[in-house]
Amino acid sequence: KAGVTQTPRYLIKTRGQQVTLSCSPISGHRSVSWYQQTPGQGLQFLFEYFSETQRNKGNFPGRFSGRQFSNSRSEMNVSTLELGDSALYLCASSLQAPGGLEKLFFGSGTQLSVL
Amino acid sequence: DQQVKQNSPSLSVQEGRISILNCDYTNSMFDYFLWYKKYPAEGPTFLISISSIKDKNEDGRFTVFLNKSAKHLSLHIVPSQPGDSAVYFCAATGNTPLVFGKGTRLSVIA
Repeated sequence: KAGVTQTPRYLIKTRGQQVTLSCSPISGHRSVSWYQQTPGQGLQFLFEYFSETQRNKGNFPGRFSGRQFSNSRSEMNVSTLELGDSALYLCASSLQAPGGLEKLFFGSGTQLSVL
Repeated sequence: DQQVKQNSPSLSVQEGRISILNCDYTNSMFDYFLWYKKYPAEGPTFLISISSIKDKNEDGRFTVFLNKSAKHLSLHIVPSQPGDSAVYFCAATGNTPLVFGKGTRLSVIA
């Protein structure tokens, strides 16, 4: 069974640009969560989608948005990039909505550098 | 406000000895706790978990202990191996998205 696939692996953008990251969950998984990892900040929750609906959203500005398609694939978009957006963006999938016994399976992430 | 805290950014342990990684939480609604391990250039992978109705869960060399009154959990690795060198994240949930700590970098020295 293929794991969670994130594309691209690396991305370099300049301030003010926008970026779209893609995530293909494990086959059969309906929930996709996005996390931002920065040095010294751990993993911070961005948002979670389940069956194309955003169920939860973290404390990030409106420049961060996402969506999920009918095949459970998900994209996240960051507009008007800032230097502080440089981070590893991780996508995770699970069968059902995360919580309790439901384990998250993570992709390898997209490393975004904003210059 | 950090709901899950890992106060030790790094830990070095000799091969064969015990590694103890600590985690504190503040939210009383958390009822399930997990540990994830992360190698460089890879995503985190699930390691072990514990429900709030238990105080200990063991899986091979890995044991997680939960002290609800102190809102504290710890991960014990015995014996530690060089391949255990990674960043370990503590996470918690109360039927909410997982809340992660900042991680502890474990180095196991041969």
